[in-house]
Amino acid sequence: DVKVTQSSRYLVKRTGEKVFLECVQDMDHENMFWYRQDPGLGLRLIYFSYDVKMKEKGDIPEGYSVSREKKERFSLILESASTNQTSMYLCASSLFAGGRNTIYFGEGSWLTVV
Amino acid sequence: GNSVTQMEGPVTLSEEAFLTINCTYTATGYPSLFWYVQYPGEGLQLLLKATKADDKGSNKGFEATYRKETTSFHLEKGSVQVSDSAVYFCALSDRGNQFYFGTGTSLTVIP
Repeated sequence: DVKVTQSSRYLVKRTGEKVFLECVQDMDHENMFWYRQDPGLGLRLIYFSYDVKMKEKGDIPEGYSVSREKKERFSLILESASTNQTSMYLCASSLFAGGRNTIYFGEGSWLTVV
Repeated sequence: GNSVTQMEGPVTLSEEAFLTINCTYTATGYPSLFWYVQYPGEGLQLLLKATKADDKGSNKGFEATYRKETTSFHLEKGSVQVSDSAVYFCALSDRGNQFYFGTGTSLTVIP
């Protein structure tokens, strides 16, 4: 089975702190994604990466950055956390397979910024 | 562009009732279609998928058929259980390796 592991399930951070959310997948997937999920807004794509050291902005990249130094690991960084970044963050991965791929999700990281 | 529209919830059903959650899509080409389920406090799990027209995906008593003529992928289950209470997301994947999700439909099943 594909496993996508998010290192932190629940975090509480202070406004202005730098926050790292880590994600590891074990299936050698090329693509990795970070989404944000908020009530009534569904899933919104923050960033995705289709290869090591490659990244593309999603729909809501402002206030976030990402890092992919190894194929299996994709980190989401909040340079200076703000209260409006309180949310659930979902990491996901998929094969690069021309539309026949399936996306697999981690269990989510609940971030509260106070 | 690509998009997914699914029926808004919340949906509340009695145990053993029939479930339908509507999903329609807009896409260029021939996307793959998916249903994901999210239980409280967890990430999304793949429930079923279909990769070409007229395919039927099925899992755990849930079914959905890829209807290209109506651009639909409605989720159905003949007899829901309390344990089916969750949020259900319809999604599509295009050849550009992007995924598009509906906004989710919350289902509550009462005993």
